[in-house]
Amino acid sequence: EIVLTQSPATLSLSPGERATLSCGASQAINTYLAWYQQKPGQAPRLLIYDASNRATGIPARFSGSGSGTDFTLTISSLEPEDFAVYYCQQRSRWPPTFGGGTKVEVK
Amino acid sequence: QVQLQESGPRLVKPSETLALTCTVSSGSVSSGSYYWSWIRQSPVKGLEWIGHIYYTGDTKFNPSLKSRVTISVDTSQNQFSLRLTSVTAADTAVYYCVRANPFVGTAADYWGRGILVTVSS
Repeated sequence: EIVLTQSPATLSLSPGERATLSCGASQAINTYLAWYQQKPGQAPRLLIYDASNRATGIPARFSGSGSGTDFTLTISSLEPEDFAVYYCQQRSRWPPTFGGGTKVEVK
Repeated sequence: QVQLQESGPRLVKPSETLALTCTVSSGSVSSGSYYWSWIRQSPVKGLEWIGHIYYTGDTKFNPSLKSRVTISVDTSQNQFSLRLTSVTAADTAVYYCVRANPFVGTAADYWGRGILVTVSS
C-alpha cells in the first residue's frame, strides 16, 4: 500500500503566521490527494481534494499544491480555530491511506 | 445537509463480532454515485480505511481486513452496516461512517461523529 509521510509532526506557530505542512508519498499518486482537519473529540473535516481544490465552505486561507510524490497544505494566516491536527489521504491506489498527521499548535 | 450517525455496542469481547450501523439522514444510501464507507482511528494505527459499499451493493475492503469484514446496506432503513469478526484488542478504535463522494475526488466529505469501540474481556 502507499505510505504517506507528513512533516513536521508538530508545528508551533502564532495566530496570523503562515503554516506550511508537507505530505510525501511512497510512490507517485498524480494529484489524488486530500487534506483533512481534525479537532479534539471531532471527526476529521475535508479541506482539500485532488491536491488543490477547496471543499465546500472552506476559507480561502487554506490552499493545497503538489503532484506526484510531494504535496503541501498552506494556511496563509492562522486563525485561532485553525489550531488542530491535519491529515493527508491518497486515493491513487486501493486501499486509500492516510498520513500520520501534523499538529499545528499555538506557540 | 447529509448527516450520519453510528450506533452499536461500545464493548466487544475478544474473538467476538463487532457490529455497527450507520443511519443516514438528509440523503439516501440508494442514490447513485456515493461510496458509503467505514474508517477507523486508533492511537496505534492512525486513520485506516476499512471499506465501502456502493449503491449497487458492490463492496470493496482493505486487504488487511478483508477476511474479517462485511459491509451491507438496508435501503428500507436508509442504513449501512459493518461487521468485523474475530476481534482482538488491536481492533479497539473510534469507528466512523462516512460518505465518499466521487465529485470531490472520492474524498470523505461527510462523517459521523464516531463511536469508540473497545475490545476487552
